[in-house]
Amino acid sequence: KNEVEQSPQNLTAQEGEFITINCSYSVGISALHWLQQHPGGGIVSLFMLSSGKKKHGRLIATINIQEKHSSLHITASHPRDSAVYICAVRDADKLIFGTGTRLQVFP
Amino acid sequence: DGGITQSPKYLFRKEGQNVTLSCEQNLNHDAMYWYRQDPGQGLRLIYYSQIVNDFQKGDIAEGYSVSREKKESFPLTVTSAQKNPTAFYLCASRGNMNTEAFFGQGTRLTVV
Repeated sequence: KNEVEQSPQNLTAQEGEFITINCSYSVGISALHWLQQHPGGGIVSLFMLSSGKKKHGRLIATINIQEKHSSLHITASHPRDSAVYICAVRDADKLIFGTGTRLQVFP
Repeated sequence: DGGITQSPKYLFRKEGQNVTLSCEQNLNHDAMYWYRQDPGQGLRLIYYSQIVNDFQKGDIAEGYSVSREKKESFPLTVTSAQKNPTAFYLCASRGNMNTEAFFGQGTRLTVV
């Protein structure tokens, strides 16, 4: 079993829909990252959080430390949100990555 | 602008040749990392360095080597001993334990 599990693996949505991507982990962590990877391959860090909730524009990330679970929400989704979203947890000096959720938003 | 730069973006090599991937950052970050990404798998840690002149093996270090002679630079050499070198390679850096990680744009290596 992977230490970081994401669901769903693939997600398609219509423009304007509310999107939720889930991440569960089995190790003790000091922080959790949500990352975005576009088709060219480069990765952008969206959030780093260790408790509670963070919001940036249409993106919201939450984490429940007791349940070892985090969610990434996208409100009013747009085709430009199409990308792979990756959850990563920090265990000491290392990051452990999930396999990613591929999101496709259609106009 | 501060950032982390990987070069080249695409690289082709013949089987049996060593190849070095470049990673440079001007963020004054102490820690730097190399990851490998294969289709359908999460990023896997190859090597990391927390300070100049020091580095540690990650989960899949066999067939790879690194150096950290300068704070800004953390080149990765894919040696001929790496049995399946074709992959997407990502470099990252981080300032300290409580800061976000920054990623390069990646290098796609194809060995033919």
